[in-house]
Amino acid sequence: GAVVSQHPSWVICKSGTSVKIECRSLDFQATTMFWYRQFPKQSLMLMATSNEGSKATYEQGVEKDKFLINHASLTLSTLTVTSAHPEDSSFYICSASGRVKGEQFFGPGTRLTVL
Amino acid sequence: AQSVTQLDSHVSVSEGTPVLLRCNYSSSYSPSLFWYVQHPNKGLQLLLKYTSAATLVKGINGFEAEFKKSETSFHLTKPSAHMSDAAEYFCVVSPDTGGASKLTFGTGTRLQVTL
Repeated sequence: GAVVSQHPSWVICKSGTSVKIECRSLDFQATTMFWYRQFPKQSLMLMATSNEGSKATYEQGVEKDKFLINHASLTLSTLTVTSAHPEDSSFYICSASGRVKGEQFFGPGTRLTVL
Repeated sequence: AQSVTQLDSHVSVSEGTPVLLRCNYSSSYSPSLFWYVQHPNKGLQLLLKYTSAATLVKGINGFEAEFKKSETSFHLTKPSAHMSDAAEYFCVVSPDTGGASKLTFGTGTRLQVTL
């Protein structure tokens, strides 16, 4: 139980385009979802926290107009990287937690490469 | 404020020998501490967690960690390394016992296991 999926697992896009990444909790209701970014050989940095039905809370230094987060249902959150640039290339990881589960469960990550 | 410091970015051990991955934390309250493992192309997996109960915590795959408040440490150990233990390990601190709040990750320790 407590499986979190991400789609796509990897994506390559051209500079200036937008990319949407989906995060789904498959077997539990996720009241809170988190989005992290991981640079090569570095740690995970929290980008934002989203609660179902409300606006995401962004960490300091994260541009909310560039990284759009939507948590429309208890099983789905999306991260859209708008007008992507090469410096946005990174590994994006989501996690989800629910009232019952409590613990954060992590997705497998999405590798974004912007050319 | 909370932070974790993983003292070694890379640890190499021989198969069958003990593993020690070091972690020190800083927190202005009684923290919850976690160890996560990240295998290539897989999601982060929780190894074990400390939430103010027993100071010696046993986790999956034979790993354990001891919370030492006087030393502000939470080192991860395993008596005998296996090849499958080769991965990236993250020490994590949280103000929430269930891990449903903001997690602060250490920089990670890459464990290499040799024959």
